Amino acid sequence: QKEVEQNSGPLSVPEGAIASLNCTYSDRGSQSFFWYRQYSGKSPELIMFIYSNGDKEDGRFTAQLNKASQYVSLLIRDSQPSDSATYLCAVNEGYSSASKIIFGSGTRLSIRP
Amino acid sequence: DARVTQTPRHKVTEMGQEVTMRCQPILGHNTVFWYRQTMMQGLELLAYFRNRAPLDDSGMPKDRFSAEMPDATLATLKIQPSEPRDSAVYFCASGPQGIDTGELFFGEGSRLTVL
Repeated sequence: QKEVEQNSGPLSVPEGAIASLNCTYSDRGSQSFFWYRQYSGKSPELIMFIYSNGDKEDGRFTAQLNKASQYVSLLIRDSQPSDSATYLCAVNEGYSSASKIIFGSGTRLSIRP
Repeated sequence: DARVTQTPRHKVTEMGQEVTMRCQPILGHNTVFWYRQTMMQGLELLAYFRNRAPLDDSGMPKDRFSAEMPDATLATLKIQPSEPRDSAVYFCASGPQGIDTGELFFGEGSRLTVL
């Protein structure tokens, strides 16, 4: 079992709709969770991080965390064609002095006009 | 404009040859990660360093891969001998102290093709 699991997609969403991306993780001790976006042929870039159970909103993006279910999600409201990319879920595992960032395989999102 | 610099950007080599990839992290960042990305496996952690000390290289095939950080401005990833299954994009990423924020800054990657 991979440490961080994501549905590979592709997930196709009409422009203006809500895109919902999901991620589960295996290490119960994980404390920090991140969403990175990667455009085709480019390197990943951080878009959101969340530490506490519940929702965290930043513009059109909302990250949701449920530690009991070991589940993280990312909602993108009013999806735009520029949101078409692969979204990588990442988890900070281990103790802070030796913590490491583990990534899922990513979900490919396509926003259709 | 601070950024992580990786060289080479592209490398084509033949099986059995040695490959060295280099990374210059952002000045002041004390954590450096090496990842490998393929379509099948996604982004795999190979090794990482904090304050130049290797903390975990369990993701690397030990018999052929080695990672070092000879000084704060240079991290290297070496493959010897290379094999076709090593073909992938290799990313270096650096982060500031307090890595709990998880904000890693990625280089543009080194695309390796082993024939």
